Amino acid sequence: ETGVTQTPRHLVMGMTNKKSLKCEQHLGHNAMYWYKQSAKKPLELMFVYNFKEQTENNSVPSRFSPECPNSSHLFLHLHTLQPEDSALYLCASSQRRAEETQYFGPGTRLLVL
Amino acid sequence: AQSVTQPDIHITVSEGASLELRCNYSYGATPYLFWYVQSPGQGLQLLLKYFSGDTLVQGIKGFEAEFKRSQSSFNLRKPSVHWSDAAEYFCAVRGGSNDYKLSFGAGTTVTVRA
Repeated sequence: ETGVTQTPRHLVMGMTNKKSLKCEQHLGHNAMYWYKQSAKKPLELMFVYNFKEQTENNSVPSRFSPECPNSSHLFLHLHTLQPEDSALYLCASSQRRAEETQYFGPGTRLLVL
Repeated sequence: AQSVTQPDIHITVSEGASLELRCNYSYGATPYLFWYVQSPGQGLQLLLKYFSGDTLVQGIKGFEAEFKRSQSSFNLRKPSVHWSDAAEYFCAVRGGSNDYKLSFGAGTTVTVRA
């Protein structure tokens, strides 16, 4: 596979569930990002990892927990979410944090019941 | 901090007609500017980008954009729209070579009618 992949593509979970989103990039990049896309709102940057180190947490609630075990993989662990957390979660990567272009995955559509 | 405004929430255009999507940014210096497209159920695909040099930038799928510093704009254009261009389009800005944060506009949805 090439580019940035995300699994699952769709996820339905209850507020008491624990689930994880996975992102994998096949581009040899060193920086990875999580974005949240809610209906009719601009994309919101959530987390940034550069060379496996978290460099940005954009005031994200603790019910979202990122993990970056290596430069190719990024996870978003979810627990005790709220219905307003329903959104499209997009992963992106770039060569390094200051690299100009970010490449996006297809996203995971999350519905919290 | 930089910001982006896309004044048009929704545009409907006939197939074969021209398309122009507006983007205005707020930033003190010359920003890095991007246009992304998102088809239904898909992630974002980069159409084109501007960093410096020629202010008219060519992208994929027949799109082009023009950077106008005096107007703080980076409008996207396509001379002849195809039905497959129906999608949501996002303008984004970065503050410079050491700024990794992309700020996105709210997006413009393009509908193409036959």
